[in-house]
Amino acid sequence: GDSVTQMEGPVTLSEEAFLTINCTYTATGYPSLFWYVQYPGEGLQLLLKATKADDKGSNKGFEATYRKETTSFHLEKGSVQVSDSAVYFCALLLPSNDYKLSFGAGTTVTVRA
Amino acid sequence: GAVVSQHPSWVICKSGTSVKIECRSLDFQATTMFWYRQFPKQSLMLMATSNEGSKATYEQGVEKDKFLINHASLTLSTLTVTSAHPEDSSFYICSARLRTDTQYFGPGTRLTVL
Repeated sequence: GDSVTQMEGPVTLSEEAFLTINCTYTATGYPSLFWYVQYPGEGLQLLLKATKADDKGSNKGFEATYRKETTSFHLEKGSVQVSDSAVYFCALLLPSNDYKLSFGAGTTVTVRA
Repeated sequence: GAVVSQHPSWVICKSGTSVKIECRSLDFQATTMFWYRQFPKQSLMLMATSNEGSKATYEQGVEKDKFLINHASLTLSTLTVTSAHPEDSSFYICSARLRTDTQYFGPGTRLTVL
């Protein structure tokens, strides 16, 4: 079935460090790919998305490129801040699956000052 | 735009009582809403898909008689946890689909059953 595998955490970084969270997917068809962020005690916020191969999603300094050849959608940020501390979820969506989102396990990121 | 609200944000109830959680899309009409459950430090588990004017579709293993879902209008879906027990304590999150491939999430409802 369709699934998402993302890098296990937790990840602890210092401010201004480079962040990468790996995400790979398995899907029958051509999924849309997403990164969602969850701050403590809150729901999920859409961080960025890409709907086809080679698309790059970007927002708030975060980027991810839809790589069909490696079935990946890795999240990157060049210089993290304390406010980026959160849980990050990679997800995929297929119209053939009633537009349901399939989530990865989530990666907890803590940025220290 | 694309704001989804949930009410209440947290609720504590006694075992055996029922609790209703509301999910509203504030500035758009959503033909489809989704309900998720999240355990501490875990990912979201899809419980059901709710379409306006029709019965909800439940995921395998989710008791539809325990988790009643009503999608009465294009901006409101409700989840009622009936005869709640401590094992139902969890974080419940809804989302609303705006376009074909984008879901917007509510802030979540923390349910604690004593």
